[in-house]
Amino acid sequence: DTGVSQNPRHKITKRGQNVTFRCDPISEHNRLYWYRQTLGQGPEFLTYFQNEAQLEKSRLLSDRFSAERPKGSFSTLEIQRTEQGDSAMYLCASSFGTGLDTQYFGPGTRLTVL
Amino acid sequence: GNSVTQMEGPVTLSEEAFLTINCTYTATGYPSLFWYVQYPGEGLQLLLKATKADDKGSNKGFEATYRKETTSFHLEKGSVQVSDSAVYFCALSVRASGGSYIPTFGRGTSLIVHP
Repeated sequence: DTGVSQNPRHKITKRGQNVTFRCDPISEHNRLYWYRQTLGQGPEFLTYFQNEAQLEKSRLLSDRFSAERPKGSFSTLEIQRTEQGDSAMYLCASSFGTGLDTQYFGPGTRLTVL
Repeated sequence: GNSVTQMEGPVTLSEEAFLTINCTYTATGYPSLFWYVQYPGEGLQLLLKATKADDKGSNKGFEATYRKETTSFHLEKGSVQVSDSAVYFCALSVRASGGSYIPTFGRGTSLIVHP
C-alpha cells in the first residue's frame, strides 16, 4: 500500500494557460475525491467518482474545471484558462466502500497562477 | 446548506495540558462527523469519527462525542505532547438528495504544544 500519490507536487503557470493534475489512488479503492484548499481554509469539496462514474460534480467551481477517471483507477483534474484566483492546493483522496468510508488523502498539488 | 465552525487558532499549550478544540455544525439530514489531522509537511489523515448521536470516537488519546442536541463534536485530549502539534479539521458528511455523500470541512485549528 503506497498511499495516494499526486503529480506534480507544484505547478506554476501563467494566467490563461490550461493545467492538468493527476491523482493515483490506493489500489482497489473505488472512490476518488477532489478538493481545493486555500490558505487558512479547510478542504473544499469539488467532485468525486465511484469507479469511473462521476457521481457528484455540482461543486466544481466553474465550467473551466473538469475531472475524469476513465478506467476507474487514476484521475485527472483539468483547469482551463487559469485565473489568479485558481491558485490553491488541490487535494485528492480515495476510499473503499459505498458509504461514509474513511478517506485517505494525497500530499496535494500546489498551483500558482502568475 | 451544511457548515462546520471551529474555534479560531492557534491554540498554544504546554506539554501535558488538557486540550479542547470546539466544533459545531449545521446540516440537513443526519451527518457523520470526523476529525482529521494534518501534521507539518504531511497530508490530512483521519483521526477519529462518529456516525450517530452519542457515539464517541477515539484514537491516540483523542476523543470526541457526537452531541446531536448541541450539534457539536468537540475534540479533547487529557495530556498533549509536542508531537500533537498540527492542524486539526472538523468535518461532516451527509447523504445528499441525489444519493451522493458531500463532505464539508471546517477551517482548521492550529495546535502548538511547547515542551
